[in-house]
Amino acid sequence: EDQVTQSPEALRLQEGESSSLNCSYTVSGLRGLFWYRQDPGKGPEFLFTLYSAGEEKEKERLKATLTKKESFLHITAPKPEDSATYLCAVKPETSGSRLTFGEGTQLTVNP
Amino acid sequence: EPEVTQTPSHQVTQMGQEVILRCVPISNHLYFYWYRQILGQKVEFLVSFYNNEISEKSEIFDDQFSVERPDGSNFTLKIRSTKLEDSAMYFCASSEDSRPLAEAFFGQGTRLTVV
Repeated sequence: EDQVTQSPEALRLQEGESSSLNCSYTVSGLRGLFWYRQDPGKGPEFLFTLYSAGEEKEKERLKATLTKKESFLHITAPKPEDSATYLCAVKPETSGSRLTFGEGTQLTVNP
Repeated sequence: EPEVTQTPSHQVTQMGQEVILRCVPISNHLYFYWYRQILGQKVEFLVSFYNNEISEKSEIFDDQFSVERPDGSNFTLKIRSTKLEDSAMYFCASSEDSRPLAEAFFGQGTRLTVV
């Protein structure tokens, strides 16, 4: 069964304190890994797509990386507006176009 | 910037009633999806829809649920005989095509409360 596990469940940072979020996955074959940001009461907002081990994508203070077993979302010098839940999702080879989501990491950045 | 639009933002219904959740996907997108998120739980796939038919559905999507594209812009999810456990946020999403790396864009959701 395809599984996505995110850690930690919650993370509190001070503004400017860099850190990383982890997404480990077990799938029959990976067609793509996706990172989304979700604000309270809102829909997931697309951030990145990764496919190949070693691939990296960057956007402002965020950088996503991918290995054969996991993905990391690195947050450099975060600001309070980066506070949100970060979701990782995979598209397994057996799934067609469906996404399988992890539970998310709730990030709080204090000023 | 194009976006997926969902209405209503919040729906309260009596147990046993039927509800229809509405979505307007991004205009040039061809693949449409419904996901749900029960409070405090992960986002779960319900169904995908392409070329006026269901292309994939999860075990959650049983005979209680149906989807329809009644015209060129709307995409609906109907839930018959609602149950308390159907209370959740329902998200519509769309993607340009079915390429593995094609990202899905989500709407803001409809919060369904069954009382």
